[in-house]
Amino acid sequence: TQLLEQSPQFLSIQEGENLTVYCNSSSVFSSLQWYRQEPGEGPVLLVTVVTGGEVKKLKRLTFQFGDARKDSSLHITAAQPGDTGLYLCAGPHSNSGYALNFGKGTSLLVTP
Amino acid sequence: EAGVAQSPRYKIIEKRQSVAFWCNPISGHATLYWYQQILGQGPKLLIQFQNNGVVDDSQLPKDRFSAERLKGVDSTLKIQPAKLEDSAVYLCASSLDGLLGTGELFFGEGSRLTVL
Repeated sequence: TQLLEQSPQFLSIQEGENLTVYCNSSSVFSSLQWYRQEPGEGPVLLVTVVTGGEVKKLKRLTFQFGDARKDSSLHITAAQPGDTGLYLCAGPHSNSGYALNFGKGTSLLVTP
Repeated sequence: EAGVAQSPRYKIIEKRQSVAFWCNPISGHATLYWYQQILGQGPKLLIQFQNNGVVDDSQLPKDRFSAERLKGVDSTLKIQPAKLEDSAVYLCASSLDGLLGTGELFFGEGSRLTVL
């Protein structure tokens, strides 16, 4: 199993602050996805990154895929309480099914 | 468009009892997944179906867990007998064609199991 390590595990910040969360692996991935999960709900896809060095922006969220395609980061600018949730990175299994292998996630709390 | 439907949302059972969870994926999605999410962890794949065939069940504890997708649409996941460590949220997800890779997974709200 290709392991995805996420850091930090927990993050509690005030509204308006910036933050970065990380997703690292010793394995090379053909792509990585970021999901956000709110309490009592299933994860929802935020972005897919495919090319090494790729940067994608989604409003206040900036995603980067490492040049070697082994790591990724998510940067949030001016965090809002609505950004609260569990942020999960995921990459396809190396076996034939391409099912996603998830990291443990970063639990983010943004307080007003 | 209707999302992935799961039931029941919550289930409490005693250890050694059995339980079944049901999932109806998004219409037209060929690939269906069952994931187990233990509190504080990310989802862990249990089984992946492509239409009515199993693609990957390498992480399914087959001595107590079973799953089927007989007509290639809805699916059932069963646990018999349950153990305390099976307490978790069971997430069902579907995708248009998972074998193409990089596709989006659409998740249901999950079924939360508590084993006492």
